[in-house]
Amino acid sequence: AQSVAQPEDQVNVAEGNPLTVKCTYSVSGNPYLFWYVQYPNRGLQFLLKYITGDNLVKGSYGFEAEFNKSQTSFHLKKPSALVSDSALYFCAVRAGFTTSGTYKYIFGTGTRLKVLA
Amino acid sequence: EAQVTQNPRYLITVTGKKLTVTCSQNMNHEYMSWYRQDPGLGLRQIYYSMNVEVTDKGDVPEGYKVSRKEKRNFPLILESPSPNQTSLYFCASSLLTTGRSTNEKLFFGSGTQLSVL
Repeated sequence: AQSVAQPEDQVNVAEGNPLTVKCTYSVSGNPYLFWYVQYPNRGLQFLLKYITGDNLVKGSYGFEAEFNKSQTSFHLKKPSALVSDSALYFCAVRAGFTTSGTYKYIFGTGTRLKVLA
Repeated sequence: EAQVTQNPRYLITVTGKKLTVTCSQNMNHEYMSWYRQDPGLGLRQIYYSMNVEVTDKGDVPEGYKVSRKEKRNFPLILESPSPNQTSLYFCASSLLTTGRSTNEKLFFGSGTQLSVL
């Protein structure tokens, strides 16, 4: 079964410290991986994606993510956290084409990031 | 401005009273989908549509209906709402991708908080 796991419900980090939000996946074929962020009372916003190419992907607001095929992981990182980064983060994968030729996105359960001043 | 518009933002209703949540996008996207967000469960896909008149069930379709008569609109219909459908609902859209597209990302609406009493 195709799935995405975010093992941490919440991550706390001090402002200025590096942050990591973890994501592992299970898909058949080549993975298409995404990170989205949700600020309070808002919809989700796209942060970055891995489709092909370099394993280190750079995205919005200084975030980056590292694709590791052997560990089936796609962890979100930032070298120096800001209080304004506090939000709910979702990892997602595009599941492969079904027999009907369609595809869908599978989201993780989300990780709440709290950056402490 | 490119956007996905959902209405209403908040809705309180009673068990069994049919309701429709509207979703419209102005980006000429082929792909549209509905998700519900519940604490601890993340985002779960209800239905998705690859194009006009093409819809398919997601992971939690029971109790919901959709239609895609026009490319820009993708309404979510609850024929007989029940309390277990109390949730935060999101509509999303994207360009249709058939391979490794660098343009791939979902655009989300602001959400509809539904309470069924």
